[in-house]
Amino acid sequence: AQSVSQHNHHVILSEAASLELGCNYSYGGTVNLFWYVQYPGQHLQLLLKYFSGDPLVKGIKGFEAEFIKSKFSFNLRKPSVQWSDTAEYFCAVKDTGRRALTFGSGTRLQVQP
Amino acid sequence: SQTIHQWPATLVQPVGSPLSLECTVEGTSNPNLYWYRQAAGRGLQLLFYSVGIGQISSEVPQNLSASRPQDRQFILSSKKLLLSDSGFYLCAWSLRGSAGYNEQFFGPGTRLTVL
Repeated sequence: AQSVSQHNHHVILSEAASLELGCNYSYGGTVNLFWYVQYPGQHLQLLLKYFSGDPLVKGIKGFEAEFIKSKFSFNLRKPSVQWSDTAEYFCAVKDTGRRALTFGSGTRLQVQP
Repeated sequence: SQTIHQWPATLVQPVGSPLSLECTVEGTSNPNLYWYRQAAGRGLQLLFYSVGIGQISSEVPQNLSASRPQDRQFILSSKKLLLSDSGFYLCAWSLRGSAGYNEQFFGPGTRLTVL
């Protein structure tokens, strides 16, 4: 069965530090990739997505992610985090054979001012 | 614009009691609908999805069931709750028929505590 691994469960950074959150998936075929974010007290919302084309995807709020097919990875990055980036981040994968997403277990990011 | 509603927002129920959580979507037609559960410290687990009225697919065997009585209404139910049913339940929708473009939009969730 398809699985998604997020290796960092809890990350604590200071403001202006760079961020990279890891995401690896197990499916070998064509996939669509997503990063969702859940700010405290808010809905889960889409941060960015990859379907095809340029493997470097830019999302909202300065986030980007790079799809590396050979490594089955879709890591999320931001060069300089802000306190307002404190949230939980979920990587999700959809393969062409399924109708729904498979989510990772999430990474809780805490940015200290 | 599309919106998705869930209620109640929070619920505390005794073990063995029934459950009914409701999700409705506005501003779109024929959506795919999904129920997820987020247990403490874990990711989102897909419970059910539906591609149309009366069409329900279950992802995992469990104590829960789902129904879709109307195009934009999705209900999660249980006849007898278990302690292990506690969690945060999220409803989501996506456009139908958009191959590959299955971005999902999530509701605010229902936090269920079974005591």
